[in-house]
Amino acid sequence: AQSVTQPDIHITVSEGASLELRCNYSYGATPYLFWYVQSPGQGLQLLLKYFSGDTLVQGIKGFEAEFKRSQSSFNLRKPSVHWSDAAEYFCAVGGTSYDKVIFGPGTSLSVIP
Amino acid sequence: GAVVSQHPSWVICKSGTSVKIECRSLDFQATTMFWYRQFPKQSLMLMATSNEGSKATYEQGVEKDKFLINHASLTLSTLTVTSAHPEDSSFYICSAGGGTGANVLTFGAGSRLTVL
Repeated sequence: AQSVTQPDIHITVSEGASLELRCNYSYGATPYLFWYVQSPGQGLQLLLKYFSGDTLVQGIKGFEAEFKRSQSSFNLRKPSVHWSDAAEYFCAVGGTSYDKVIFGPGTSLSVIP
Repeated sequence: GAVVSQHPSWVICKSGTSVKIECRSLDFQATTMFWYRQFPKQSLMLMATSNEGSKATYEQGVEKDKFLINHASLTLSTLTVTSAHPEDSSFYICSAGGGTGANVLTFGAGSRLTVL
């Protein structure tokens, strides 16, 4: 069965500290992987995506993610967190064309000044 | 870049009334749109896939007679919550494919429905 897990429900980091949000997936074929960010009361914004090629992908706002097939993981990282990064982060997996994208439960990020 | 517009962004209605939410792709054509429901502090739950010119495909457990979806054009899909009840109160988000590139969904800003 296709699924996405995000082990951390909530993470708190200090501003300027590094960040890593974990994501693991289960998917029958080669997955298309995404990270989205959602601010309160807003829709989702795409941070980055992985389809193929280089397993380290760069996204917007200084985020990057690394695809590790052997670990079925697609963790999101940022070297220095800003207070404006506080939001809900969703990892998602999908297939070809516009197959239904499956979302993880989300990780809530709080940033301490 | 690709933009998906949702309207209204929030709506309050009385129990028993119907509410229509619009989802528009502003600068691209979307043959397929998706409707999600999100409860507070939870992830997105896919409700249905809206296909231009054909019937929507509903996920298991979603009442098609309660949540009417129409995709009459390549830029507009509507979700109508019929005979709304307080338990239908939620955040509804639509997304469309074909905007920012193949295989990538563009999301609307969501619509907050409160049923009194």
